[in-house]
Amino acid sequence: AQSVTQLDSQVPVFEEAPVELRCNYSSSVSVYLFWYVQYPNQGLQLLLKYLSGSTLVKGINGFEAEFNKSQTSFHLRKPSVHISDTAEYFCAVIPKGGANNLFFGTGTRLTVIP
Amino acid sequence: DAGVTQSPTHLIKTRGQQVTLRCSPISGHKSVSWYQQVLGQGPQFIFQYYEKEERGRGNFPDRFSARQFPNYSSELNVNALLLGDSALYLCASSLWTVEGEKLFFGSGTQLSVL
Repeated sequence: AQSVTQLDSQVPVFEEAPVELRCNYSSSVSVYLFWYVQYPNQGLQLLLKYLSGSTLVKGINGFEAEFNKSQTSFHLRKPSVHISDTAEYFCAVIPKGGANNLFFGTGTRLTVIP
Repeated sequence: DAGVTQSPTHLIKTRGQQVTLRCSPISGHKSVSWYQQVLGQGPQFIFQYYEKEERGRGNFPDRFSARQFPNYSSELNVNALLLGDSALYLCASSLWTVEGEKLFFGSGTQLSVL
């Protein structure tokens, strides 16, 4: 069984400040890891994914995430946020060798304050 | 190329009614997945279809059913609607890859059950 925990439901941060959104997962098998962003009244857009190789993954819009196998974490970071980054962010996993469906966390609402 | 399109965008039904939601995948994509996103939660997997066959099913009651047509479009049906079925229903299409899928999400259908 898989589960994804996003520890912070809401994260307020001032414009141009750095931000980290936390994600931990639990799985009996190896997983692929994903971060999605959801803007108001829109569907989900892929920010980045970790499939294998380098544990530091760079995505769109200046975001990056680091896979830590020992801590089963995949935290999302951005060194300087913009107003346009205000959105809901979801961490998700796909178990390797499974049915290729995503298991999502409950989401973190990032609010960038001017 | 058009993205994943879903119709209708919004829908209001009453308890006990039946509803059909529609999804057209990106051209060339043969797999369609459905997710339910209740307000304040992450999306939950409902179904996956590939080449018109069901390839995965989430933990949803038999009131939920789906099918995929020869042109790879898909319909999600929900019978005997309950208040708890109120949610954003997301459709995603994908190419079947060995690395794990990159899903492209539509903007969703917002279903309200009164």
